[in-house]
Amino acid sequence: GQQVMQIPQYQHVQEGEDFTTYCNSSTTLSNIQWYKQRPGGHPVFLIQLVKSGEVKKQKRLTFQFGEAKKNSSLHITATQTTDVGTYFCAGDNNAGNMLTFGGGTRLMVKP
Amino acid sequence: NAGVTQTPKFQVLKTGQSMTLQCAQDMNHEYMSWYRQDPGMGLRLIHYSVGAGITDQGEVPNGYNVSRSTTEDFPLRLLSAAPSQTSVYFCASSPRRRAGEQFFGPGTRLTVL
Repeated sequence: GQQVMQIPQYQHVQEGEDFTTYCNSSTTLSNIQWYKQRPGGHPVFLIQLVKSGEVKKQKRLTFQFGEAKKNSSLHITATQTTDVGTYFCAGDNNAGNMLTFGGGTRLMVKP
Repeated sequence: NAGVTQTPKFQVLKTGQSMTLQCAQDMNHEYMSWYRQDPGMGLRLIHYSVGAGITDQGEVPNGYNVSRSTTEDFPLRLLSAAPSQTSVYFCASSPRRRAGEQFFGPGTRLTVL
């Protein structure tokens, strides 16, 4: 079945440093979604990418979808303590009825 | 709107007991799903539904049953609890009949002794 891998598993950064998490799928995706989960909370939707090579920005967050639609990345510029949490990517199967989540990258920010 | 609600927040079961985790949404969403989240792992899909009366298996369905008699409710039943089912369970919904943007509930933390 479809597998979605995410690296790194953990990342410690100093406040103000940049952060990137990478997502790779074993199959071509119809779209990819990103979620953020704060410690003790539930996942919250951030964005969905659909087109090959798509790049979207949300303030300090930049999301990319690979040309082959098998990989994606999330880059945070100048991290803040409010960015702390686990970031998940999730790939949609071609039938559109199931999301496969990556294992997540836990971001810790030292003030 | 309350969004997606889940009850209970916490539950402790003994091996072999059965129970139902409740999930309800008031957004008139077609798609609903159940995930489990284990430490250090992502979310794994247990069961999903693309509309009332329709359910299907996800990635890890064994030991769980679901039903979708109304658009609003999507209960998850544990038939005979096992320690391997100790996890945090999240219910989620999505507006259309596909796995688009997921709105998650607050979760149920289940421990099976």
